[in-house]
Amino acid sequence: AQSVAQPEDQVNVAEGNPLTVKCTYSVSGNPYLFWYVQYPNRGLQFLLKYITGDNLVKGSYGFEAEFNKSQTSFHLKKPSALVSDSALYFCAVRESSGTYKYIFGTGTRLKVLA
Amino acid sequence: EAQVTQNPRYLITVTGKKLTVTCSQNMNHEYMSWYRQDPGLGLRQIYYSMNVEVTDKGDVPEGYKVSRKEKRNFPLILESPSPNQTSLYFCASTNGPSYEQYFGPGTRLTVT
Repeated sequence: AQSVAQPEDQVNVAEGNPLTVKCTYSVSGNPYLFWYVQYPNRGLQFLLKYITGDNLVKGSYGFEAEFNKSQTSFHLKKPSALVSDSALYFCAVRESSGTYKYIFGTGTRLKVLA
Repeated sequence: EAQVTQNPRYLITVTGKKLTVTCSQNMNHEYMSWYRQDPGLGLRQIYYSMNVEVTDKGDVPEGYKVSRKEKRNFPLILESPSPNQTSLYFCASTNGPSYEQYFGPGTRLTVT
């Protein structure tokens, strides 16, 4: 069965420092991996995805993520955090074949301190 | 503007009173989905649809119904709501399995 784990409920980082939000996954086939961000009282917005190809993917707002097949991880990163990056971040996975079923992680709240 | 709309945005109702939450997208997407968001549980998929008249269960379908009679609309129906269905609900659509999902603004439902 598919599963996604975001081991940290909250991550605190100082503005200007690099940030990492962790995600590990489990699927039976090749994964399609996604990161979404949710700002207060808003819907989810797409940040980036890994489908195939280069393991390092770049997305919106300066975020990037590295796909690591051996560790089944897809950690979200940013070289220099901004206070405006403070939000709730979700990792999601679906199998590359079959149904339109998605599994989301429980979310990680990122707090960037000025 | 490309968007997913949901109505109502907020709803307070009583146990057992049937309700429908509407979802509409203007991007001609084939795939649509409903999620509920609960603290500590993240988003869980309720139902999804891969095309008109094609729907299937997600991880938490109990107590919900859906229909897809038109490509743009995907309503969520609670025939007999219960307090454990109090949640924040999101509708989403996408062009295909390798594409990102577009989410609606959410519907906050309270069942008393």
